[in-house]
Amino acid sequence: IQLTQSPSSLSASVGDRVTITCRASQGISSYLAWYQQKPGKAPKLLIYAASTLQSGVPSRFSGSGSGTDFTLTISSLQPEDFATYYCQQLNSYPRTFGQGTKVEIK
Amino acid sequence: EVQLVQSGAEVKKPGESLRISCKGSGYSFTSYWISWVRQMPGKGLEWMGRIDPSDSYTNYSPSFQGHVTISADKSISTAYLQWSSLKASDTAMYYCARHDYGDPFDYWGQGTLVTVSS
Repeated sequence: IQLTQSPSSLSASVGDRVTITCRASQGISSYLAWYQQKPGKAPKLLIYAASTLQSGVPSRFSGSGSGTDFTLTISSLQPEDFATYYCQQLNSYPRTFGQGTKVEIK
Repeated sequence: EVQLVQSGAEVKKPGESLRISCKGSGYSFTSYWISWVRQMPGKGLEWMGRIDPSDSYTNYSPSFQGHVTISADKSISTAYLQWSSLKASDTAMYYCARHDYGDPFDYWGQGTLVTVSS
C-alpha cells in the first residue's frame, strides 16, 4: 500500500492553521497513524486509528478520515511544531510510511 | 518507564558484517513486537521488518528481505538487526520501535547511526 502525502513541504507562521493530507493507494479503513519527527530525534506518535490522540499530545493536533483519504490538522501552529510529519498505514504488511511533510517557519 | 535503548554508532567498511541492538525495559518484552525502521540521510522513514520476541516470528519488507536479519533474545529483552555484508548504501540511521499487532509504534529507540565507507 502506497501513501502519498501533500504537500511535501509548507511554510507557515505561528498561530496558523495547518492541514496535511495523506492518500492511500487502497482502502485502509481507519488504520492510519501520524508521527512528528524533529531533526536528530526519533519519530513521536501523535495520532492513531486516524483520529485518536496519543496520550500527552496537545489538543491542537487532530486527525480525520477513513478509507483512502486522511488529514492531520494543527489548529494553531506553535514554535515547537516546526518538524516533519509522516503518516503510516497499519492495515497490512509491509507497513508503509508517507514520504513526509516538512513544516517550516515562514 | 518504557525504554528502548539502542547500541552506539558504527563505522564499517563495505563487505563487513554488523549487528546492532535494541534493549527494551519497563514493560514485558515478549508482549510487544519490535520493528526496525531505516532513515537514509535527509530522507523519509522506511519499515524494514518486525519480530515477535515471544516466538521470534519475523516479517520483512520485500525491499529488505534477504539483505538483513532480525532476531531477538527474550532472555535479555533485546532485539537485533544484522547484516552479513554491508554496502555503502546501508549508511543510514536505524530505529527500533515497539508495537502490538495492528497498533502504531508507540515507543522508539534513540536510533543507531551506521556509516559504511571505504
